[in-house]
Amino acid sequence: GAVVSQHPSWVICKSGTSVKIECRSLDFQATTMFWYRQFPKQSLMLMATSNEGSKATYEQGVEKDKFLINHASLTLSTLTVTSAHPEDSSFYICSASDAGENGNEQFFGPGTRLTVL
Amino acid sequence: AQSVTQLDSQVPVFEEAPVELRCNYSSSVSVYLFWYVQYPNQGLQLLLKYLSGSTLVKGINGFEAEFNKSQTSFHLRKPSVHISDTAEYFCAVLIYNQGGKLIFGQGTELSVKP
Repeated sequence: GAVVSQHPSWVICKSGTSVKIECRSLDFQATTMFWYRQFPKQSLMLMATSNEGSKATYEQGVEKDKFLINHASLTLSTLTVTSAHPEDSSFYICSASDAGENGNEQFFGPGTRLTVL
Repeated sequence: AQSVTQLDSQVPVFEEAPVELRCNYSSSVSVYLFWYVQYPNQGLQLLLKYLSGSTLVKGINGFEAEFNKSQTSFHLRKPSVHISDTAEYFCAVLIYNQGGKLIFGQGTELSVKP
């Protein structure tokens, strides 16, 4: 099946620093990647949708200047949390879709736990 | 607007008992329906999906779900649960022609006790 990886799996950083999270589709070309955040005991909230080679589409209430998304290739998307603060601590999950034989099914990465001190 | 409601936030059940996790959705257009499982500190794993065809869908780990269009429901069932089924379960809908966006329910925590 389609495999999506995320790196790092966890990261701890100081307040005010920036953190980059990578999302890779390992065995398929992802025309679309999605970024979610999940707070403890809560559901996944879509942050943005990115298509390869174009600007990401952010959901209402998500600061595009704070959460920078780059989808430079069909196998890699990155999320950079700029000037991170403790309230940005969360579980970030990416997913990828190839819009091919799997239709619109999304394949999820294992998630990245971000802790901002 | 589309929405997904999982009617139970927590479902405690004894091992080998049957379980049903309820999911209702609201949409004015056709949807695809999914159930995902999430183990602690992990991503989501697809249990099963309904795209079209038979309304009874069988998935992994012995789970199945039935799509009921008139009741806009997609309840998840398992006839006999195991301790290892303890996890968070999410129902989700994918709306046609909206760029593949998934809308998730609030999640149901299934707790299987010995």
